[in-house]
Amino acid sequence: GDSVTQMEGPVTLSEEAFLTINCTYTATGYPSLFWYVQYPGEGLQLLLKATKADDKGSNKGFEATYRKETTSFHLEKGSVQVSDSAVYFCALSDILTGGGNKLTFGTGTQLKVEL
Amino acid sequence: DTAVSQTPKYLVTQMGNDKSIKCEQNLGHDTMYWYKQDSKKFLKIMFSYNNKELIINETVPNRFSPKSPDKAHLNLHINSLELGDSAVYFCASSQGYGRGQPQHFGDGTRLSIL
Repeated sequence: GDSVTQMEGPVTLSEEAFLTINCTYTATGYPSLFWYVQYPGEGLQLLLKATKADDKGSNKGFEATYRKETTSFHLEKGSVQVSDSAVYFCALSDILTGGGNKLTFGTGTQLKVEL
Repeated sequence: DTAVSQTPKYLVTQMGNDKSIKCEQNLGHDTMYWYKQDSKKFLKIMFSYNNKELIINETVPNRFSPKSPDKAHLNLHINSLELGDSAVYFCASSQGYGRGQPQHFGDGTRLSIL
């Protein structure tokens, strides 16, 4: 079945540091890939997505490139802020044989940014 | 305006009780989902409905029964609650179920079983 593996946290960085959160996946089909962010006490918000190989998703300074050859979708940001502190989830979406589309999530990576 | 809203936000109850969680979306989407997030933040899909029709039913105990009265609502009823049901339950919606369609999540319902 489909699965997503992402680096364990927590990741603690100083403000303005460079961020990378690794994500790799296995899928039986050709999935779309997503990064979601969860701030404390809130639901998940879509951060960015990519639907085919070599696509780059970007939003709010975050970027991730769909690498089919390495089955990866690593999240990067050049300069993090305290307000970026949250849990980040990598996810894939694939069509099911019987219809429907489900998100398969990684375990989440908690990011803490300190002044 | 809240796009996907769930009620209640917190639910504390005794083992063996029956409870319901309601979900409504005002995005005009036709597909809705329920996810369970455990204490380690792991998220797993439970159910999905498209235009009131069940399209995903993962391996979930029969005590959990979703109901979709219309495409803007997807409620979750849980019978005979057990300690292991303690979790945060998230409702989500999307426009269709094409693989590139992002899902929009509610803020979650934190269920605690005493």
